[in-house]
Amino acid sequence: GAGVSQSPSNKVTEKGKDVELRCDPISGHTALYWYRQSLGQGLEFLIYFQGNSAPDKSGLPSDRFSAERTGGSVSTLTIQRTQQEDSAVYLCASSLTGGATEAFFGQGTRLTVV
Amino acid sequence: GENVEQHPSTLSVQEGDSAVIKCTYSDSASNYFPWYKQELGKGPQLIIDIRSNVGEKKDQRIAVTLNKTAKHFSLHITETQPEDSAVYFCAASRGLTGGGNKLTFGTGTQLKVEL
Repeated sequence: GAGVSQSPSNKVTEKGKDVELRCDPISGHTALYWYRQSLGQGLEFLIYFQGNSAPDKSGLPSDRFSAERTGGSVSTLTIQRTQQEDSAVYLCASSLTGGATEAFFGQGTRLTVV
Repeated sequence: GENVEQHPSTLSVQEGDSAVIKCTYSDSASNYFPWYKQELGKGPQLIIDIRSNVGEKKDQRIAVTLNKTAKHFSLHITETQPEDSAVYFCAASRGLTGGGNKLTFGTGTQLKVEL
């Protein structure tokens, strides 16, 4: 299993609850990205981690969204007080460096807020 | 910020024909343009990319062209096969100039190759 792994694959949660989505990047990849894909739409950038640098949070849609990356490896995206408009597929990608190198995507977590 | 527009949204071709998908971008500082293929239930997978110092790149049946002046780039698939059926996304970033490879994606093209 050398690819990017995301868990869970599917998550159904009630409006107002908090959720955590996990991403295991490819070993040795220093860059990690989170994207959101709404139904029938392209991918929307959320946040970017590069090594030990401060993350680029410029794509986070509200302060209910946060993410961390521990030890330069696993990342967790947290959504607090979920709303129905948060329903989407959340995709994680990693790349060897932070430059214009291939980004490898996981299969995504499909989040449904009911 | 960057805005990427992609056309058409759906494309149906006969097996063996060619398929062309076009994208335009707004940020003249964008310098990296990848194309991704996404099959149902899977994450996107890179199929080809082009950098701003190159006008054309080819890899077997797939080619991409870039016109920096007009700010548009295109994906060409020749001799299409049923397994080419998927959603294709174009994207753009300033990845060559540092600050991370944050991609701005088009809205996707659903390609269907019919037998």
